[in-house]
Amino acid sequence: EAQVTQNPRYLITVTGKKLTVTCSQNMNHEYMSWYRQDPGLGLRQIYYSMNVEVTDKGDVPEGYKVSRKEKRNFPLILESPSPNQTSLYFCASGPLAGGSNEQFFGPGTRLTVL
Amino acid sequence: TQLLEQSPQFLSIQEGENLTVYCNSSSVFSSLQWYRQEPGEGPVLLVTVVTGGEVKKLKRLTFQFGDARKDSSLHITAAQPGDTGLYLCAAPGYGGSQGNLIFGKGTKLSVKP
Repeated sequence: EAQVTQNPRYLITVTGKKLTVTCSQNMNHEYMSWYRQDPGLGLRQIYYSMNVEVTDKGDVPEGYKVSRKEKRNFPLILESPSPNQTSLYFCASGPLAGGSNEQFFGPGTRLTVL
Repeated sequence: TQLLEQSPQFLSIQEGENLTVYCNSSSVFSSLQWYRQEPGEGPVLLVTVVTGGEVKKLKRLTFQFGDARKDSSLHITAAQPGDTGLYLCAAPGYGGSQGNLIFGKGTKLSVKP
């Protein structure tokens, strides 16, 4: 089944404790992206990647890191999480072919930073 | 800053009614997408529009891209409870960069039986 998977789905952590949220897609998509979704603010892009070893900042990159060493994986790293990073995070991937922006979203990771 | 403004924010209607939701901007976009998100899930793409004035239909849903490519609308005919969800529009940001997408804040639709 074609899908984007994220792990963990739920995470409660404390301020300053490094964490990684994994994202994997099995559709051979060039494009991958991370978003956070907050009440009243909507979906905001954190980082995106157009291909392996190519990453770019989105609208809210501060406090996050990403890497794209393999085509299928795009982990989101929070080196020192803070309470304002409590949010619902979505990973997405897309084909890019023909100028398409089509994105397939994962199920989300709900993160709470105490 | 490029913004997509969606209206209304909330919409509660009875089954069988028609409705229209809007996505507006002061910027011109090369394309625009509509997604639907159900509680506890990620957004799912409904349609992409790329040509000014374009109209696309998906069963009871009709999508229109404005002539100037600054706005779009989604019309639902004879709404059903299964249409309940958060409707989001999205478009490329930063001068049309394909990778950077901006989203509107969404219209939360509730269709009561």
